[in-house]
Amino acid sequence: EDKVVQSPLSLVVHEGDTVTLNCSYEVTNFRSLLWYKQEKKAPTFLFMLTSSGIEKKSGRLSSILDKKELFSILNITATQTGDSAVYLCAVYGISGTYKYIFGTGTRLKVLA
Amino acid sequence: DTGVSQDPRHKITKRGQNVTFRCDPISEHNRLYWYRQTLGQGPEFLTYFQNEAQLEKSRLLSDRFSAERPKGSFSTLEIQRTEQGDSAMYLCASSRQGENEQFFGPGTRLTVL
Repeated sequence: EDKVVQSPLSLVVHEGDTVTLNCSYEVTNFRSLLWYKQEKKAPTFLFMLTSSGIEKKSGRLSSILDKKELFSILNITATQTGDSAVYLCAVYGISGTYKYIFGTGTRLKVLA
Repeated sequence: DTGVSQDPRHKITKRGQNVTFRCDPISEHNRLYWYRQTLGQGPEFLTYFQNEAQLEKSRLLSDRFSAERPKGSFSTLEIQRTEQGDSAMYLCASSRQGENEQFFGPGTRLTVL
């Protein structure tokens, strides 16, 4: 059965710290992995990683994909209180039709 | 603003009533997804449309749930005879065929009393 597992479930850090969020997956015919940030509303897109793009960076956020070991990490450096959110990982594969499988998310709280 | 809109944003209903939600995807997106999200969980897939065709429906989805996308543009999700366990955030997302990135709407928060 397809599944996505994120760890840790929650994390509390202080401003300026660096955090690493993990996402492991088992999906039939993997196509891509997506990271989303969710505050008190709908998820907003951060990155998409595919076989042809296994590393992405945007400002203080970066992500890599290890297709061999079936995991991805999301790094946030110099964290700010505005980074406090739930970070969701979703995997997109082909198993009959096209479906995104989401993990439960990592809840990050950044203290001032 | 992602371009996906949902209506209403909040709905409070009594158990046993029917409710209907609407989603308007980004105009050039032919794929549309419905998800349900409860507290502390990631979005759970409900159903998927490609144009007007409903190509997949979650096996976990009760027969009380039905979705339509009659003209391949907006979609509706109806829940009949609501139960307290239906209380959740219902999210709609859309994407363009051939692209894996999907964009979410603001969601409809349903509370069943």
